[in-house]
Amino acid sequence: AQSVTQPDIHITVSEGASLELRCNYSYGATPYLFWYVQSPGQGLQLLLKYFSGDTLVQGIKGFEAEFKRSQSSFNLRKPSVHWSDAAEYFCAVGPRGGADGLTFGKGTHLIIQP
Amino acid sequence: DAGVIQSPRHEVTEMGQEVTLRCKPISGHDYLFWYRQTMMRGLELLIYFNNNVPIDDSGMPEDRFSAKMPNASFSTLKIQPSEPRDSAVYFCASRGQGREQYFGPGTRLTVT
Repeated sequence: AQSVTQPDIHITVSEGASLELRCNYSYGATPYLFWYVQSPGQGLQLLLKYFSGDTLVQGIKGFEAEFKRSQSSFNLRKPSVHWSDAAEYFCAVGPRGGADGLTFGKGTHLIIQP
Repeated sequence: DAGVIQSPRHEVTEMGQEVTLRCKPISGHDYLFWYRQTMMRGLELLIYFNNNVPIDDSGMPEDRFSAKMPNASFSTLKIQPSEPRDSAVYFCASRGQGREQYFGPGTRLTVT
């Protein structure tokens, strides 16, 4: 069965510092990969996605993610975080065949220190 | 586009009552998904539809849960009777020709 692991439940970063959120997946084949962000009391907003091609993908709000097939990872990065980036971040995978729903990681709660 | 619309945003009900959650997908999207989010289990897929037809309901926890999609612009998730352990945030998401899903704001359900 597919699974997504986000090993960091909480991460605290100073404003202006760089950020990396980790995501590892277990899947039968290379899935589609996504990062979503959820602000308190809000729905999930898509940050970026990887389907094929260039393994470094750019998203909204200055985020990027790198797909590494050999490590089954899809880590999210941002060079300089802003206080408004404080939120819950979810990594998700979806199958290339069919239209099943997404499998989500448990999320990483990002705290920004002033 | 207004995005995925869910109602109500908050629902508080007593155990044993019937609860109906509503979703309007993005116009033109032909897939609709219902998810549940809890602290213990995270985000879980409950059921999804393609062209208004239920495709996979294996995530529906019990027979107390049912979902319908009578037309392309409306879906409901019903819980009858409700129990305290059903308290969660319920999300609806829709998908078009792309693979990404777009989520609604969610309905926070509290069953007392």
